[in-house]
Amino acid sequence: LAKTTQPVSMDSYEGQEVNITCSHNNIATNDYITWYQQFPSQGPRFIIQGYKTKVTNEVASLFIPADRKSSTLSLPRVSLSDTAVYYCLAPPVVDTGRRALTFGSGTRLQVQP
Amino acid sequence: DVKVTQSSRYLVKRTGEKVFLECVQDMDHENMFWYRQDPGLGLRLIYFSYDVKMKEKGDIPEGYSVSREKKERFSLILESASTNQTSMYLCASTRLAGGTDTQYFGPGTRLTVL
Repeated sequence: LAKTTQPVSMDSYEGQEVNITCSHNNIATNDYITWYQQFPSQGPRFIIQGYKTKVTNEVASLFIPADRKSSTLSLPRVSLSDTAVYYCLAPPVVDTGRRALTFGSGTRLQVQP
Repeated sequence: DVKVTQSSRYLVKRTGEKVFLECVQDMDHENMFWYRQDPGLGLRLIYFSYDVKMKEKGDIPEGYSVSREKKERFSLILESASTNQTSMYLCASTRLAGGTDTQYFGPGTRLTVL
């Protein structure tokens, strides 16, 4: 089972850039890395997904090195509303044919004024 | 917009009761998932289904069963609720098989078993 490891929590201040790194072992060649954001009392929602190098959208950037054993979610100039839990997702398990994603414990980001 | 709805936001049941949690998605998605979320443990997959009447166990299926009679509906069943099943339950769906398609989540059901 592809397992992800990410920091339990991070603190930041408004206007700063926040980088959250996730380690993932046994990632398969064709698998994507996906990040989700979850606010209290809500289900997670998709932020960004990438396969290699760099992906950027209106919310965040995702950096994936050549060996693809880690990925870094970058949130530019965070605001108080970015306070949430961020999940890095492991790709599906290929050997058993399971086609589901495994969420880790997530990183709780607290943004201070 | 994809919409995933869950039958209740809050539910209180007694030990030993049979509990049904319902999830409905309106975008003709192939795959549906049930997770539970507990403090410090993140989201843990209970069961998932990639087709009508098909189901597969996730990481923590013990004490649960599921039913998918129609494509849009995926039910989680606690045959005999226990206090250690007090948790937030989240349903999700994806359009495609393969596992890396975007998951759309419902708002969650907070279940308390007394």
